[in-house]
Amino acid sequence: AQKVTQAQTEISVVEKEDVTLDCVYETRDTTYYLFWYKQPPSGELVFLIRRNSFDEQNEISGRYSWNFQKSTSSFNFTITASQVVDSAVYFCALSEANAGNNRKLIWGLGTSLAVNP
Amino acid sequence: GAGVSQSPRYKVAKRGQDVALRCDPISGHVSLFWYQQALGQGPEFLTYFQNEAQLDKSGLPSDRFFAERPEGSVSTLKIQRTQQEDSAVYLCASSLVGYSGNTIYFGEGSWLTVV
Repeated sequence: AQKVTQAQTEISVVEKEDVTLDCVYETRDTTYYLFWYKQPPSGELVFLIRRNSFDEQNEISGRYSWNFQKSTSSFNFTITASQVVDSAVYFCALSEANAGNNRKLIWGLGTSLAVNP
Repeated sequence: GAGVSQSPRYKVAKRGQDVALRCDPISGHVSLFWYQQALGQGPEFLTYFQNEAQLDKSGLPSDRFFAERPEGSVSTLKIQRTQQEDSAVYLCASSLVGYSGNTIYFGEGSWLTVV
């Protein structure tokens, strides 16, 4: 069965701290895709990154970085030097390639990040 | 358009009323999804279209929920005889093509409150 677990419900940090959001997934497929989305208070889900299961290279985009480890089924997200504007709920999601007509994303419950000045 | 557009942004409905929520996907996007998100929860899949074909409606919670996309672009999610448990944010999303790795872009959602 497919499942995404974000064990951290809420995280609170002070501005400029680094913070890591954890994501652990379960799937029986060998080909799958992992995503991170940001949901600020306005409600829109903002796409951050997509990673396919064959690409374990870590990625850095500005203050954001992602660590994909198939051995531990984890796809963790780190924000370096956090800022107040990073405050949002962050969702990790999974999509399986062999899902036939089912293109839906499997979502974690989200981690609410509060960055305090 | 530049992004996925949803209307109305906010809707208050009396219990038993019918509501219709509209979604304008990104121009040229083949796939369209509807998700329901309750307060403090992650999105829950409702239904998926590829062009005008509804390929998966397994997430629709009851037969009061109906979605259509007659011309393969704009989609409408209709909820009949609304109940309080229908209160949620309804998110529409689209992607360029219909394979599972394609990035899915979301609208801002329609916030439905049933009183």
